[in-house]
Amino acid sequence: NAGVTQTPKFQVLKTGQSMTLQCAQDMNHNSMYWYRQDPGMGLRLIYYSASEGTTDKGEVPNGYNVSRLNKREFSLRLESAAPSQTSVYFCASSFRDSSYEQYFGPGTRLTVT
Amino acid sequence: GQSLEQPSEVTAVEGAIVQINCTYQTSGFYGLSWYQQHDGGAPTFLSYNALDGLEETGRFSSFLSRSDSYGYLLLQELQMKDSASYFCAVLSGGYNKLIFGAGTRLAVHP
Repeated sequence: NAGVTQTPKFQVLKTGQSMTLQCAQDMNHNSMYWYRQDPGMGLRLIYYSASEGTTDKGEVPNGYNVSRLNKREFSLRLESAAPSQTSVYFCASSFRDSSYEQYFGPGTRLTVT
Repeated sequence: GQSLEQPSEVTAVEGAIVQINCTYQTSGFYGLSWYQQHDGGAPTFLSYNALDGLEETGRFSSFLSRSDSYGYLLLQELQMKDSASYFCAVLSGGYNKLIFGAGTRLAVHP
């Protein structure tokens, strides 16, 4: 089992460019999450999907969109990147919604210049 | 609002015991989780307390006092590989998702 995988691992964008971060899990989990992590701060929830076919906003959703493509895959899209979106992005999954135990992917390090 | 406070840094020597504290303020409370994250790595789940008291898992233990809105992670027989950041996270009834603290960076020295 690969667990939670994310692509790409690193990305540099210019202001205004768009991109999609991909996430997949092979643990048959129902819920998936996107977080961002900035220096000196904890993980902040951007969007989540409690189950296939549903998505909802987290703490910091502005500037992002998501798609739960199927039970395995959950993508995060930046339509018009801004320097404030420079961060490390983590995808996570859990067997059920509102779980205290989440499994994280390796992260995508994004720089917006 | 919801907030968690934990020390930003802790240092200790190999073989010692260290305690990382976490105080929280939430609207509704289900439980307190702890995660470990090595530099450049992904967070990994360590423990969860829903009820008051101590939960032990090998060298790591976690404690919760709901009346004091306080918990801690206790690491015993410290090893160099324990150098990492440790995050407390609350499962809040009001928000229904994990809210993470800013993390405590633990440095273990020989």
